[in-house]
Amino acid sequence: EAGVAQSPRYKIIEKRQSVAFWCNPISGHATLYWYQQILGQGPKLLIQFQNNGVVDDSQLPKDRFSAERLKGVDSTLKIQPAKLEDSAVYLCASRQGGTLAGGLFSYEQYFGPGTRLTVT
Amino acid sequence: AQTVTQSQPEMSVQEAETVTLSCTYDTSENNYYLFWYKQPPSRQMILVIRQEAYKQQNATENRFSVNFQKAAKSFSLKISDSQLGDTAMYFCAFMKHMNRDDKIIFGKGTRLHILP
Repeated sequence: EAGVAQSPRYKIIEKRQSVAFWCNPISGHATLYWYQQILGQGPKLLIQFQNNGVVDDSQLPKDRFSAERLKGVDSTLKIQPAKLEDSAVYLCASRQGGTLAGGLFSYEQYFGPGTRLTVT
Repeated sequence: AQTVTQSQPEMSVQEAETVTLSCTYDTSENNYYLFWYKQPPSRQMILVIRQEAYKQQNATENRFSVNFQKAAKSFSLKISDSQLGDTAMYFCAFMKHMNRDDKIIFGKGTRLHILP
């Protein structure tokens, strides 16, 4: 089974420029998450999708960040314009959602390798 | 709001030794999950072990085990017979036991070095 794919792996931009990240979740996973991980900290949830609808975007800086998940599969996260404090690793994760066979709750999130963004 | 605290920013142990990573959390929920995630230098986060709050028995996965103290809101990870491949950041994490509200709250992490 293929894992969560992300691209690019690395990106360097100047402040005020725009950048976009792409995520392809595990096939069949209904729930998709974008996290921001600043150096030395744990991941912080930016936005959560259930299929192509937003479940939680309370910590997404909406004046500069946007995300979409067209057709409930791939997702893109965009930053426009970027600030120095946006330098971080952006992680995408997916979860099957609902319950597994046998009625077990599908709790596990599977993470991609992340995109390391450097804003200069 | 839930919080997760890891008080050990960095630890080092010799290969084959046993090491314990500490984690405390704060919540008013009664049903929840607790996790330990591992993030090796390559950055891909993987799940090490999970614990359901309603289970009294501590979870174990091969060399990894937890000490779950619900009343004390403590959830430590023990790694036995540590190996060089265990070198990584370890994150303690909390999640409510609800299907849609499954946001994971991560601690700041403990960087673990296994020394040869």
